[in-house]
Amino acid sequence: GQQLNQSPQSMFIQEGEDVSMNCTSSSIFNTWLWYKQDPGEGPVLLIALYKAGELTSNGRLTAQFGITRKDSFLNISASIPSDVGIYFCAGINAGNMLTFGGGTRLMVKP
Amino acid sequence: DGGITQSPKYLFRKEGQNVTLSCEQNLNHDAMYWYRQDPGQGLRLIYYSQIVNDFQKGDIAEGYSVSREKKESFPLTVTSAQKNPTAFYLCASSRREGYEQFFGPGTRLTVL
Repeated sequence: GQQLNQSPQSMFIQEGEDVSMNCTSSSIFNTWLWYKQDPGEGPVLLIALYKAGELTSNGRLTAQFGITRKDSFLNISASIPSDVGIYFCAGINAGNMLTFGGGTRLMVKP
Repeated sequence: DGGITQSPKYLFRKEGQNVTLSCEQNLNHDAMYWYRQDPGQGLRLIYYSQIVNDFQKGDIAEGYSVSREKKESFPLTVTSAQKNPTAFYLCASSRREGYEQFFGPGTRLTVL
């Protein structure tokens, strides 16, 4: 099946720093999604991207749909302790199949 | 409020017993999904349903069964044939297949 390579697998940063993570694939996707999962909870949809090149923000979060349609990026500015969690990317292809990346575990030092 | 509910939050069962996990949504979504998540791991698709009375196996369907008798409900049964059932189970729904999925709060199943 399709694979999404999400990196980094984990990050340990200082509060106030900016964060970048990305997802790449050898396949093309029509939609990119970014979720956050808090410990012991279900993932929550943060941002949805529908067009190549699209740049969308949600508060301190900004995500981009790569021009090649094979990648997507998520940036978090001025991180705070409540940003801790696992961030998942997901891509939806032309066959309407949704594939998840392996997740990026974010830890923030106060 | 619209949303997805899963119950119970925590479930304990003895080895060899079947157990059914509940998932209900009032979002009027056609498609529903079940995922399994092991500690420190990503999401693996167990079963999905695009419409009432129809469902398809996902990547790890062995040892699980589902039904979709109502649009709002998609219960998952973990059978005694599932060799390693202890995990965190997540239910999701989407307007139709190919749209964003929204998740419930999850059920943590522990088999003793």
